[in-house]
Amino acid sequence: DIQLTQSPSFLSAYVGDRVTITCRASQGIHSYLAWYQQRPGKAPKLLIFAVSTLQSGVPSRFSGSGSGTEFTLTISSLQPEDFATYYCQQFSIYPLTFGGGTKVEIK
Amino acid sequence: QVQLVQSGAEVKKPGASVTVSCKASGYTFTGHYVYWVRQAPGQGLEWMGWINANSGVTELAQKFQGRVTMTRDTSISTAYMELSGLTYDDTAVYYCARDRRDGDLDYWGQGTLVTVSS
Repeated sequence: DIQLTQSPSFLSAYVGDRVTITCRASQGIHSYLAWYQQRPGKAPKLLIFAVSTLQSGVPSRFSGSGSGTEFTLTISSLQPEDFATYYCQQFSIYPLTFGGGTKVEIK
Repeated sequence: QVQLVQSGAEVKKPGASVTVSCKASGYTFTGHYVYWVRQAPGQGLEWMGWINANSGVTELAQKFQGRVTMTRDTSISTAYMELSGLTYDDTAVYYCARDRRDGDLDYWGQGTLVTVSS
């Protein structure tokens, strides 16, 4: 199975900060990587697919980049509503797997 | 608008089975796969499998083979996930989600909490 390792697992930042979350895959996954946001008690929400394509309706402060085995999600200017847990997901090879999550706290 | 509405919370005894339904609306049900993902309390997301809503073909994570059955009823745009042989470790929120294209999931149900308790 492909392991996805997210770092950090927890971060605390101020409103307006630039935040970067990393997702490392145990083997190459081409561009089959997505990012999700999950607010407490809610279902995950697709933010980015194919590494860097913003899902419709997602604010442009979110962006994704990377290739091969290392990928990043960046929030350019953190907003209070961004308090959530973020997951990466690979859909290159079965079984589909998710990263362990990064919980973002607003200072 | 696309919506996936799941059935309500369940409490089951160990060894029992549970079926969760997922009713789709706002899109052509047979045009997308339906995925199932679960999340144990305080834990991350775990992919269980998918069903091709058109053909009914399924793909299950190895961990769930033999215990999970995925079906669909195209006449009512509803997918079902049955999990048998429940153990305490199956206590989780179960989500259905629509496959956008290749395995990324663009719409999710609200989740169904399944609690296994004696």
